[in-house]
Parts: sequence; structure tokens; C-alpha cells
Amino acid sequence: KAGVTQTPRYLIKTRGQQVTLSCSPISGHRSVSWYQQTPGQGLQFLFEYFSETQRNKGNFPGRFSGRQFSNSRSEMNVSTLELGDSALYLCASSLLENEQYFGPGTRLTVT
Amino acid sequence: KNEVEQSPQNLTAQEGEFITINCSYSVGISALHWLQQHPGGGIVSLFMLSSGKKKHGRLIATINIQEKHSSLHITASHPRDSAVYICAGRSYNTDKLIFGTGTRLQVFP
Repeated sequence: KAGVTQTPRYLIKTRGQQVTLSCSPISGHRSVSWYQQTPGQGLQFLFEYFSETQRNKGNFPGRFSGRQFSNSRSEMNVSTLELGDSALYLCASSLLENEQYFGPGTRLTVT
Repeated sequence: KNEVEQSPQNLTAQEGEFITINCSYSVGISALHWLQQHPGGGIVSLFMLSSGKKKHGRLIATINIQEKHSSLHITASHPRDSAVYICAGRSYNTDKLIFGTGTRLQVFP
């Protein structure tokens, strides 16, 4: 079974731009969660989607949004990028509330 | 004070040593996850447990619900065990994963 894939793996953007990251879950997994990891704050929960519905949301500003498609693939979008958004963005898929399988992450650098 | 705390922050060991990493939490949780992150960022889920003990190869995870404490043990440590180990609790109230700050383990030959 193929693992969780994330694209792109690396991204450099300028302040004020927007970015869209993509996550393809393991086949059969309908739950996708997104996380942000920074050296200062560690891992933080962004959102969780299940069957195209946002099931839970972390404490991030409205510039961070996401969605899930009918094939369970998910995207997250960050608008009006700030320097502090530079981070590793990880997605994980699972059967609902079970063990999470993480993707390799997208490393975003905002300059 | 973080809702999920780990100790120690850094740990060095000689190959073959028995290693223990601790995780304490102050919120009600429905499950406790142990994750392993190697340099480069990839995260692997090691265990998810809500009671008792689980074992996988040289790794053992335990949880004490009353004391709100979990431990990850590595027996016969090996340099390839060098990684950051992160515990995370799924909050009863919010259903969100709350992460500890991680324990950086280095095992030397």
C-alpha cells in the first residue's frame, strides 16, 4: 500500500503571497489531519478533515484554511504569508481516531 | 505549563543501554501516541495506547491513567534509534492531539 504523499516537498515563497499544499492519504483512509512544526513551537495541530468535512480546527488565524475532496485528498492554503509561517507542514491520514500515518512533509520557507 | 510534558529533553546513550523517555499530561486524554522523527522530518507512529502496555520489537510503551504518565522504553539501544521521540495526547474535551516538545536521543556505538 502506498504511503501518505505530500506535494510539493519544498517551497520558497515571499511575504504576502499565498500557498497551497497537497496531501494524498493512504487508500481507504478518510481522515486527514494537518500539523505545523517549527523549532520554537514544536508540533501544532492545524485541522482535521473526515469525509470532506472539517471535524476539528486548531488555534491558527483564518489565513490558514483547508479542504478535503471526495477522494479524501486534502489541500491546505495559507494566504498573506508571514515570515513566521516558515515551517514543516505535515499531514497524516488514519481510519478515524486510530493510529496516524504521516507524510514526509512540505518544508515552506517564507522570505 | 505545557499540557503534555516530556523528559528528558536530550538523552545520550551508549549502544546496548536501556532507555526510558517519560511523558506526563495534565488534561484528560482518550489516547496517547508515541512518535519517532528522524532528521529530515519524517514522522513514524510507534504506538497508540489508552491503557496498559504495548510492545513492538525492542520498544515498549506503558501508560498509567491514574498518574497521567506514560513511558517509552528502548531495550538494547542501537545507533539507528537516534531520533526525536514525541508523545501526544488526544484531548477528551477538544479531540485534538496535543504534543510534547520531544526528546532528542543520540545513541553512540
